[in-house]
Amino acid sequence: NAGVTQTPKFQVLKTGQSMTLQCAQDMNHEYMSWYRQDPGMGLRLIHYSVGAGITDQGEVPNGYNVSRSTTEDFPLRLLSAAPSQTSVYFCASSSLTAPYSDEQFFGPGTRLTVL
Amino acid sequence: AQRVTQPEKLLSVFKGAPVELKCNYSYSGSPELFWYVQYSRQRLQLLLRHISRESIKGFTADLNKGETSFHLKKPFAQEEDSAMYYCALRTGANNLFFGTGTRLTVIP
Repeated sequence: NAGVTQTPKFQVLKTGQSMTLQCAQDMNHEYMSWYRQDPGMGLRLIHYSVGAGITDQGEVPNGYNVSRSTTEDFPLRLLSAAPSQTSVYFCASSSLTAPYSDEQFFGPGTRLTVL
Repeated sequence: AQRVTQPEKLLSVFKGAPVELKCNYSYSGSPELFWYVQYSRQRLQLLLRHISRESIKGFTADLNKGETSFHLKKPFAQEEDSAMYYCALRTGANNLFFGTGTRLTVIP
């Protein structure tokens, strides 16, 4: 049981490049989400999904796309990277069945630098 | 709109001293609050949920709706408590709205 996995751990991009951050979970969780963590700003929700085929925007969705074709995977796409997207990105998942929906499980993070 | 405020970015206490990490919230709905912790080189993980009213690793947190607060307390800090602590408010669809975090350092 690997929990929530994220790849890559580190990435450096040039402005304008695109890339996909991968996130997978093996807990059969319905809910998955992406956060970015910036110094002094805590974690902010980018996009989330409550099941395969269903995605929605969070607090800071601009510049990012997501899709959820399977329960296990929730990739985050940067369409045209900008220096403002330099951050640490966390993927999280949880059940949507109470009481287990209380706890979200986080991945190890991806540190992205955009030059 | 929701808001979670953690007024202290940094907090240092001596080992054995009491510790209190402050969290205030603003939310129009019925609040569900959590404390998450990130130890050095570890993943962010759930520490406490207000609804369970439990003590985890000696920490407790009481939801005070009158003061809109959910402060995290421990009577005797330990070195292993040094970490980044985030207060979080659950909003629709299981989304979490985080405060900016408090880095706690316990001085030996």
